[in-house]
Amino acid sequence: QSVLTQPPSVSGAPGQRVTISCTGSSSNIGAGYDVHWYQQLPGTVPKVLIYGNNIRPSGVPDRFSGSRSGTSASLAITGLQAEDEADYYCQSYDRSLSGYVLFGGGTKLTVL
Amino acid sequence: QVQLQESGPGLVKPSQTLSLTCTVSGGSISSGNYYWSWIRQPAGKGLEWIGRIYTSGTTNYNPSLKSRVTISVDTSKNQFSLKLSSVTAADTAVYYCARGSVFNWFDPWGQGTLVTVSS
Repeated sequence: QSVLTQPPSVSGAPGQRVTISCTGSSSNIGAGYDVHWYQQLPGTVPKVLIYGNNIRPSGVPDRFSGSRSGTSASLAITGLQAEDEADYYCQSYDRSLSGYVLFGGGTKLTVL
Repeated sequence: QVQLQESGPGLVKPSQTLSLTCTVSGGSISSGNYYWSWIRQPAGKGLEWIGRIYTSGTTNYNPSLKSRVTISVDTSKNQFSLKLSSVTAADTAVYYCARGSVFNWFDPWGQGTLVTVSS
């Protein structure tokens, strides 16, 4: 079964820029399937932050941006704020084994 | 706007079957080009997709859970349901229901319900 690999943790100071990577394979991201990103604030329900690789839903600040290239994707956060401290998950679709949705393992963002 | 709400027992005994229902409000479960999914999250861990169902009845399941999972839909009640058989402590998690788009992103989500597997 395929996996999406994220770093367990990243950190940055307020105002800085951080990126979170999401590495897949030729049966998911590399096959052209979209990557989506979710933000989960402590004790809350995951919320879609980026969909379709780089589209922000209404209400999501433009400090958040997404990209996809080859078998990987990235989430970038600029102008880091204390309220950005959360868990971030990438998600895509895998075409193997009749097809299934898969999530990355999640990345804990700490704002120093 | 569409809202989802999970319901079901919060405690299930090992080897028994976990059963949850998700009620969709604010819109018809049959409208639009969507499917309906279950996702779970053990305490302190990441998200795991369990499976999905279209209102046509077509289902897809996580290969790692496929042998134990059944998802069904009742369009007359605007509900879909999850059954997970032969549960163990490893199935203890917050279970979310969510609406999936044709491009496979999830929004909205239910608030989640904690299911504990314990005797």
